[in-house]
Amino acid sequence: EAGVAQSPRYKIIEKRQSVAFWCNPISGHATLYWYQQILGQGPKLLIQFQNNGVVDDSQLPKDRFSAERLKGVDSTLKIQPAKLEDSAVYLCASSFPPLGTEAFFGQGTRLTVV
Amino acid sequence: QKEVEQNSGPLSVPEGAIASLNCTYSDRGSQSFFWYRQYSGKSPELIMFIYSNGDKEDGRFTAQLNKASQYVSLLIRDSQPSDSATYLCAVRNNDMRFGAGTRLTVKP
Repeated sequence: EAGVAQSPRYKIIEKRQSVAFWCNPISGHATLYWYQQILGQGPKLLIQFQNNGVVDDSQLPKDRFSAERLKGVDSTLKIQPAKLEDSAVYLCASSFPPLGTEAFFGQGTRLTVV
Repeated sequence: QKEVEQNSGPLSVPEGAIASLNCTYSDRGSQSFFWYRQYSGKSPELIMFIYSNGDKEDGRFTAQLNKASQYVSLLIRDSQPSDSATYLCAVRNNDMRFGAGTRLTVKP
């Protein structure tokens, strides 16, 4: 079974530039999560999708971050404009339908904003 | 605000000892609880999950849940140097939230 795929693995951008991350969840997983993990901290939930609907985006900085999952499969997370404090690993995870089993994580995208 | 609290550590135990990791959560509606292990530079991977009050054992790992006290713990018996990692507690209601993690070091 293929795992959660993310790209790119690494990205370096200058502040005020924009960046986009892509995630393809495990086939059949209706729930998709985007987490931000700053070095030394736990993953912080940015947004959770159930199919193509948003379940929770209360911690998403909506003035600069956006995410979509148009067809209920792949998802993109965008930052525009980036700030220095956005430097982190962005983790995508997926799971079976609501309140099911564990979330499976992709390898993450390490973003450095300089 | 839904909070998941963990002692950040570091926690250091000798090889062969029992490591005890603790987690508290604020959302009383939480229904499932997970322990993930994260090696440096890697993504979190699931160790155990627990839904019901009491203990759940899997090999050297035992998860304990007390919903009345909003407390979940992980015991690692016969700790090995390969267990050295950060352990993340995750709590799920409609969403899934993580604690800051406890860094465990097992010394040979």
